[in-house]
Amino acid sequence: SQQGEEDPQALSIQEGENATMNCSYKTSINNLQWYRQNSGRGLVHLILIRSNEREKHSGRLRVTLDTSKKSSSLLITASRAADTASYFCATDQAIQGAQKLVFGQGTRLTINP
Amino acid sequence: DVKVTQSSRYLVKRTGEKVFLECVQDMDHENMFWYRQDPGLGLRLIYFSYDVKMKEKGDIPEGYSVSREKKERFSLILESASTNQTSMYLCASRARWGKNTEAFFGQGTRLTVV
Repeated sequence: SQQGEEDPQALSIQEGENATMNCSYKTSINNLQWYRQNSGRGLVHLILIRSNEREKHSGRLRVTLDTSKKSSSLLITASRAADTASYFCATDQAIQGAQKLVFGQGTRLTINP
Repeated sequence: DVKVTQSSRYLVKRTGEKVFLECVQDMDHENMFWYRQDPGLGLRLIYFSYDVKMKEKGDIPEGYSVSREKKERFSLILESASTNQTSMYLCASRARWGKNTEAFFGQGTRLTVV
């Protein structure tokens, strides 16, 4: 089952513009993470926001979390061609005392020069 | 520099073959995961392991098994490969809950079953 659902599925913008991606989830969480995947490669961790945080920044990335709406957004400011990638949100689901990381379907971001 | 290494980037196997996908991590992580990734379906969890010799089914375990005999190595086994198992397979590891919970991924194995 997919815990996180990203929106939109695909986004195409001009270089220099801001890109916003959204993620909704179904169950309560301890934290939410965002990952990036360049074409045909593994995923790379970008940022983690804990359930008691509302906003977090890392360089050109800004993540918000609204636990009442069970949603998160990832904002990339001043986009660059190198930001072209797929972006995934992920949440933990407790199972048998372990924590499995569940990903959404991702947003494919294209930055046009 | 932390590392998760998958044994192959590309693999072509015949229907009915037994296939082993290997994953090794050098971070002493307790948790390891196998996902498959297909267009439009995102990452789906096949199996995960939270300790040596321990394993739990994910969302799509049918047709797969796993082995974790050593902490650093987590193997995914396709007992009898079928064409619908053609996919990108991603291995990941992360520390036990309560520590840094970031997951580290391998580069992926693109498996084609013909």
